[in-house]
Amino acid sequence: GENVEQHPSTLSVQEGDSAVIKCTYSDSASNYFPWYKQELGKGPQLIIDIRSNVGEKKDQRIAVTLNKTAKHFSLHITETQPEDSAVYFCAASKIGYALNFGKGTSLLVTP
Amino acid sequence: DGGITQSPKYLFRKEGQNVTLSCEQNLNHDAMYWYRQDPGQGLRLIYYSQIVNDFQKGDIAEGYSVSREKKESFPLTVTSAQKNPTAFYLCASSMGQTIQETQYFGPGTRLLVL
Repeated sequence: GENVEQHPSTLSVQEGDSAVIKCTYSDSASNYFPWYKQELGKGPQLIIDIRSNVGEKKDQRIAVTLNKTAKHFSLHITETQPEDSAVYFCAASKIGYALNFGKGTSLLVTP
Repeated sequence: DGGITQSPKYLFRKEGQNVTLSCEQNLNHDAMYWYRQDPGQGLRLIYYSQIVNDFQKGDIAEGYSVSREKKESFPLTVTSAQKNPTAFYLCASSMGQTIQETQYFGPGTRLLVL
Protein backbone atom coordinates (compact mmCIF):
# COMPACT_ATOMS: atom_id res chain seq x y z
CA GLY A 1 0.00 0.00 0.00
CA GLU A 2 0.86 3.68 -0.02
CA ASN A 3 3.58 4.80 2.39
CA VAL A 4 3.85 8.49 3.28
CA GLU A 5 6.94 9.75 5.06
CA GLN A 6 7.07 13.22 6.58
CA HIS A 7 10.09 15.27 7.69
CA PRO A 8 11.08 16.79 9.98
CA SER A 9 9.15 15.50 12.97
CA THR A 10 9.79 18.75 14.84
CA LEU A 11 10.61 22.19 13.51
CA SER A 12 11.34 25.39 15.39
CA VAL A 13 11.52 28.73 13.61
CA GLN A 14 11.59 32.34 14.65
CA GLU A 15 8.61 34.53 13.95
CA GLY A 16 8.83 35.98 10.47
CA ASP A 17 10.98 33.18 9.10
CA SER A 18 9.79 30.56 6.62
CA ALA A 19 9.01 26.94 7.44
CA VAL A 20 9.17 24.01 5.04
CA ILE A 21 7.80 20.53 5.67
CA LYS A 22 8.43 17.72 3.21
CA CYS A 23 6.61 14.49 2.43
CA THR A 24 7.40 11.61 0.15
CA TYR A 25 5.02 8.98 -1.11
CA SER A 26 5.54 5.56 -2.61
CA ASP A 27 2.60 4.95 -4.95
CA SER A 28 3.02 6.73 -8.29
CA ALA A 29 -0.75 6.48 -8.85
CA SER A 30 -1.43 8.85 -5.93
CA ASN A 31 -2.99 12.04 -7.22
CA TYR A 32 -4.42 13.94 -4.25
CA PHE A 33 -2.28 15.56 -1.56
CA PRO A 34 -3.91 17.52 1.28
CA TRP A 35 -2.23 19.22 4.22
CA TYR A 36 -3.89 19.47 7.64
CA LYS A 37 -3.13 21.63 10.67
CA GLN A 38 -3.96 20.27 14.10
CA GLU A 39 -3.95 22.46 17.19
CA LEU A 40 -3.63 20.89 20.61
CA GLY A 41 -6.70 18.90 21.63
CA LYS A 42 -8.56 19.63 18.39
CA GLY A 43 -9.33 17.86 15.16
CA PRO A 44 -7.20 18.47 12.04
CA GLN A 45 -8.22 21.29 9.76
CA LEU A 46 -7.53 21.30 6.02
CA ILE A 47 -5.26 24.20 5.12
CA ILE A 48 -4.40 23.48 1.50
CA ASP A 49 -4.49 20.64 -0.99
CA ILE A 50 -3.12 19.90 -4.42
CA ARG A 51 -3.95 17.48 -7.16
CA SER A 52 -1.43 15.91 -9.49
CA ASN A 53 -2.39 17.98 -12.49
CA VAL A 54 -0.68 21.06 -10.99
CA GLY A 55 2.80 21.62 -9.61
CA GLU A 56 2.15 24.42 -7.16
CA LYS A 57 -0.70 26.06 -5.30
CA LYS A 58 -0.69 29.14 -3.08
CA ASP A 59 -3.07 30.58 -0.53
CA GLN A 60 -1.75 33.75 1.08
CA ARG A 61 1.24 32.71 3.25
CA ILE A 62 0.86 29.01 2.51
CA ALA A 63 2.00 27.15 -0.58
CA VAL A 64 2.31 23.53 -1.59
CA THR A 65 4.61 22.19 -4.30
CA LEU A 66 4.43 18.80 -5.93
CA ASN A 67 7.14 16.90 -7.78
CA LYS A 68 5.48 13.86 -9.32
CA THR A 69 8.68 12.52 -10.80
CA ALA A 70 10.43 12.45 -7.45
CA LYS A 71 7.21 11.58 -5.62
CA HIS A 72 7.45 14.30 -3.05
CA PHE A 73 5.45 17.34 -2.03
CA SER A 74 6.17 20.16 0.37
CA LEU A 75 4.35 22.70 2.49
CA HIS A 76 5.81 26.20 2.64
CA ILE A 77 4.72 28.73 5.23
CA THR A 78 6.15 32.23 4.85
CA GLU A 79 6.27 35.04 7.40
CA THR A 80 5.46 32.63 10.21
CA GLN A 81 3.46 33.81 13.19
CA PRO A 82 3.08 32.29 16.68
CA GLU A 83 -0.44 31.14 15.78
CA ASP A 84 1.08 28.92 13.09
CA SER A 85 2.42 26.73 15.91
CA ALA A 86 0.66 23.36 15.58
CA VAL A 87 1.12 19.85 14.24
CA TYR A 88 0.95 19.59 10.47
CA PHE A 89 0.05 16.40 8.62
CA CYS A 90 0.46 15.57 4.97
CA ALA A 91 -1.55 12.86 3.25
CA ALA A 92 -1.71 11.15 -0.12
CA SER A 93 -4.29 9.07 -1.90
CA LYS A 94 -5.23 7.67 -5.28
CA ILE A 95 -8.64 7.31 -6.84
CA GLY A 96 -10.83 4.88 -4.94
CA TYR A 97 -8.54 4.68 -1.94
CA ALA A 98 -8.47 6.33 1.46
CA LEU A 99 -6.01 8.98 2.59
CA ASN A 100 -2.66 7.80 3.95
CA PHE A 101 -1.26 10.23 6.48
CA GLY A 102 2.30 11.10 7.42
CA LYS A 103 3.23 11.01 11.10
CA GLY A 104 3.11 14.77 11.50
CA THR A 105 5.46 17.70 12.07
CA SER A 106 5.27 19.70 15.26
CA LEU A 107 5.98 23.32 14.30
CA LEU A 108 6.92 25.86 16.95
CA VAL A 109 7.12 29.53 16.03
CA THR A 110 8.95 31.52 18.67
CA PRO A 111 8.41 35.30 19.04
CA ASP B 1 -23.69 26.25 12.49
CA GLY B 2 -22.76 23.49 10.10
CA GLY B 3 -20.16 21.04 11.18
CA ILE B 4 -19.19 17.77 12.76
CA THR B 5 -19.78 17.11 16.43
CA GLN B 6 -18.27 14.35 18.51
CA SER B 7 -19.28 13.37 21.99
CA PRO B 8 -18.20 12.97 24.63
CA LYS B 9 -14.94 14.94 24.65
CA TYR B 10 -13.46 12.48 27.19
CA LEU B 11 -14.56 8.89 27.76
CA PHE B 12 -13.41 6.35 30.27
CA ARG B 13 -13.61 2.63 29.71
CA LYS B 14 -13.41 -0.10 32.29
CA GLU B 15 -11.88 -3.49 31.60
CA GLY B 16 -14.18 -5.67 29.48
CA GLN B 17 -16.57 -2.83 28.70
CA ASN B 18 -17.86 -1.73 25.33
CA VAL B 19 -18.12 2.01 24.78
CA THR B 20 -19.70 4.00 21.96
CA LEU B 21 -18.39 7.25 20.55
CA SER B 22 -20.86 9.54 18.85
CA CYS B 23 -20.31 11.41 15.57
CA GLU B 24 -22.94 13.63 13.98
CA GLN B 25 -22.69 15.91 10.95
CA ASN B 26 -25.14 18.41 9.50
CA LEU B 27 -23.13 19.12 6.35
CA ASN B 28 -25.24 16.75 4.24
CA HIS B 29 -22.07 14.81 3.47
CA ASP B 30 -22.40 11.31 2.07
CA ALA B 31 -19.18 9.80 3.43
CA MET B 32 -18.01 9.50 7.02
CA TYR B 33 -14.82 8.15 8.57
CA TRP B 34 -13.31 7.12 11.88
CA TYR B 35 -9.62 7.53 12.62
CA ARG B 36 -7.46 6.67 15.57
CA GLN B 37 -4.56 8.94 16.56
CA ASP B 38 -1.77 7.88 18.89
CA PRO B 39 1.05 10.17 20.10
CA GLY B 40 3.68 10.69 17.43
CA GLN B 41 1.62 8.79 14.89
CA GLY B 42 -0.37 9.81 11.90
CA LEU B 43 -4.06 9.16 11.60
CA ARG B 44 -5.00 5.54 11.02
CA LEU B 45 -8.31 4.65 9.41
CA ILE B 46 -10.61 2.39 11.42
CA TYR B 47 -13.82 2.32 9.33
CA TYR B 48 -15.47 4.40 6.68
CA SER B 49 -18.91 4.64 5.17
CA GLN B 50 -19.64 6.06 1.73
CA ILE B 51 -23.39 5.67 1.93
CA VAL B 52 -26.10 4.86 4.45
CA ASN B 53 -26.29 1.21 5.50
CA ASP B 54 -22.88 0.45 4.07
CA PHE B 55 -19.39 0.64 5.58
CA GLN B 56 -15.91 -0.70 4.94
CA LYS B 57 -13.04 -1.73 7.18
CA GLY B 58 -9.97 0.46 7.28
CA ASP B 59 -6.45 -0.50 8.27
CA ILE B 60 -7.13 -1.17 11.97
CA ALA B 61 -10.76 -2.34 12.23
CA GLU B 62 -10.15 -5.19 14.67
CA GLY B 63 -11.85 -4.56 18.02
CA TYR B 64 -14.15 -1.86 16.61
CA SER B 65 -17.63 -1.82 15.12
CA VAL B 66 -19.74 0.84 13.41
CA SER B 67 -23.22 1.43 12.06
CA ARG B 68 -24.61 3.90 9.53
CA GLU B 69 -28.37 3.93 9.86
CA LYS B 70 -28.70 7.64 9.15
CA LYS B 71 -26.77 9.88 6.80
CA GLU B 72 -25.83 12.29 9.55
CA SER B 73 -24.69 9.77 12.16
CA PHE B 74 -21.79 7.30 12.29
CA PRO B 75 -21.24 5.92 15.82
CA LEU B 76 -18.13 3.91 16.67
CA THR B 77 -18.16 1.16 19.30
CA VAL B 78 -14.88 0.21 20.92
CA THR B 79 -15.38 -3.36 22.03
CA SER B 80 -13.68 -5.32 24.79
CA ALA B 81 -11.72 -7.10 22.04
CA GLN B 82 -9.71 -3.91 21.49
CA LYS B 83 -6.86 -4.48 23.93
CA ASN B 84 -5.23 -1.08 23.62
CA PRO B 85 -8.07 1.41 23.19
CA THR B 86 -6.43 4.46 24.78
CA ALA B 87 -6.18 7.00 21.96
CA PHE B 88 -7.66 10.14 20.43
CA TYR B 89 -10.53 9.23 18.09
CA LEU B 90 -11.41 11.48 15.18
CA CYS B 91 -14.49 11.43 13.01
CA ALA B 92 -14.51 13.02 9.58
CA SER B 93 -16.89 13.47 6.68
CA SER B 94 -16.65 14.30 2.99
CA MET B 95 -19.18 15.55 0.52
CA GLY B 96 -19.44 12.87 -2.12
CA GLN B 97 -19.29 9.11 -2.10
CA THR B 98 -15.80 9.13 -3.58
CA ILE B 99 -13.42 8.24 -0.81
CA GLN B 100 -10.74 10.57 -2.13
CA GLU B 101 -12.65 13.79 -1.51
CA THR B 102 -11.62 16.47 0.97
CA GLN B 103 -12.34 15.38 4.51
CA TYR B 104 -13.50 17.61 7.35
CA PHE B 105 -12.78 16.56 10.92
CA GLY B 106 -14.64 16.79 14.18
CA PRO B 107 -13.03 17.91 17.46
CA GLY B 108 -12.24 14.37 18.62
CA THR B 109 -12.93 12.13 21.61
CA ARG B 110 -10.16 11.07 23.97
CA LEU B 111 -10.68 7.55 25.28
CA LEU B 112 -8.92 6.47 28.45
CA VAL B 113 -8.88 3.07 30.11
CA LEU B 114 -9.44 2.87 33.86
